[in-house]
Amino acid sequence: DQQVKQNSPSLSVQEGRISILNCDYTNSMFDYFLWYKKYPAEGPTFLISISSIKDKNEDGRFTVFLNKSAKHLSLHIVPSQPGDSAVYFCAASDGGRDMRFGAGTRLTVKP
Amino acid sequence: DGGITQSPKYLFRKEGQNVTLSCEQNLNHDAMYWYRQDPGQGLRLIYYSQIVNDFQKGDIAEGYSVSREKKESFPLTVTSAQKNPTAFYLCASSALDTQYFGPGTRLTVL
Repeated sequence: DQQVKQNSPSLSVQEGRISILNCDYTNSMFDYFLWYKKYPAEGPTFLISISSIKDKNEDGRFTVFLNKSAKHLSLHIVPSQPGDSAVYFCAASDGGRDMRFGAGTRLTVKP
Repeated sequence: DGGITQSPKYLFRKEGQNVTLSCEQNLNHDAMYWYRQDPGQGLRLIYYSQIVNDFQKGDIAEGYSVSREKKESFPLTVTSAQKNPTAFYLCASSALDTQYFGPGTRLTVL
């Protein structure tokens, strides 16, 4: 039962352009959402989060948008850089121990 | 400096052997977690612990065991009962809503 879905396994963008990574969830009890970045053979690194009381959170080149009615969130990276190439995981939490992760999207930023 | 450490980075095990993966944190976090990552899949929760001397099963606890005798430490034992133990294992800790991860241990069963 996948409660958090990242339907695009991979995404390729040109350096300097915008990267948009998408995530959908099914559990309406989720109220906190996170994005993690992961390089091969390393642990995920926390990138940015958003609480359900907001619809946008920005941190430098990274912006997360939340559409609660559609149960959808997205991560925008602009401008994209080659160092952003990694696997990005979306995660959702109901405030308790239950944090669910998507399968990840592999982003490749081409120079 | 603060963080989460996991050791070893790579671990090889013969079939039928138990093996213990280490996870230590000096972030003073109450909660700790073990996840497993397989290719093309998200992170799946094995066990978690909210406080010392207490832990709960996650979604895929069968074949695994844990202990939480100290706040800083949350070792995971992969037992011979685990049918498909070859994977990348990640430990995490949290104080509030955000989990922070260690570097991971790649376990290969030969």
